[in-house]
Amino acid sequence: DAGITQSPRYKITETGRQVTLMCHQTWSHSYMFWYRQDLGHGLRLIYYSAAADITDKGEVPDGYVVSRSKTENFPLTLESATRSQTSVYFCASSEGSGGPHEQYFGPGTRLTVT
Amino acid sequence: GQNIDQPTEMTATEGAIVQINCTYQTSGFNGLFWYQQHAGEAPTFLSYNVLDGLEEKGRFSSFLSRSKGYSYLLLKELQMKDSASYLCAVRDITSGTYKYIFGTGTRLKVLA
Repeated sequence: DAGITQSPRYKITETGRQVTLMCHQTWSHSYMFWYRQDLGHGLRLIYYSAAADITDKGEVPDGYVVSRSKTENFPLTLESATRSQTSVYFCASSEGSGGPHEQYFGPGTRLTVT
Repeated sequence: GQNIDQPTEMTATEGAIVQINCTYQTSGFNGLFWYQQHAGEAPTFLSYNVLDGLEEKGRFSSFLSRSKGYSYLLLKELQMKDSASYLCAVRDITSGTYKYIFGTGTRLKVLA
């Protein structure tokens, strides 16, 4: 199916474990983004990528790692999960140029770290 | 740095008009976006402004003043289904690549 998907949709993990959240888009958008959404903070940018093999830090990158070997995939890894990383994570994609190119969001992954 | 401010909560009555304001500070402004987010769902795109003025799209309009760092989203003929959070986002090009910075969102409650 066309669009942007995230997996898993729900995840419970323990403190200290490594967790990888997957994001896949079928539009060949050059840009992809990872956000976390917490009450009172809105959407905060973790990492973003302008193209395959190009990634940049956002506002809150500590504790997270990303890679982008293929245009369509942008996995987010929590190297050693902490309770403060309990959140809803959204992946998004957009076309590369400026102009009225909005972001398309995946359905989100609800992560709980116990 | 970047900063985006919008009210936390607003309440309005069905059929009325509501204006949600957003102020921003950024050195690399490249467009302002409004998104709607219903509880438990992903944000969806509503509107885009890059030049000063008003953009109208059905019941929704968005205004931008770049010199004042100010935007608003106007919702007319409010319906119950408009109860949602409205997110203001600025696209920034300071680093040479596009990134989007979001405000904390305005939760709108529409009352019957």
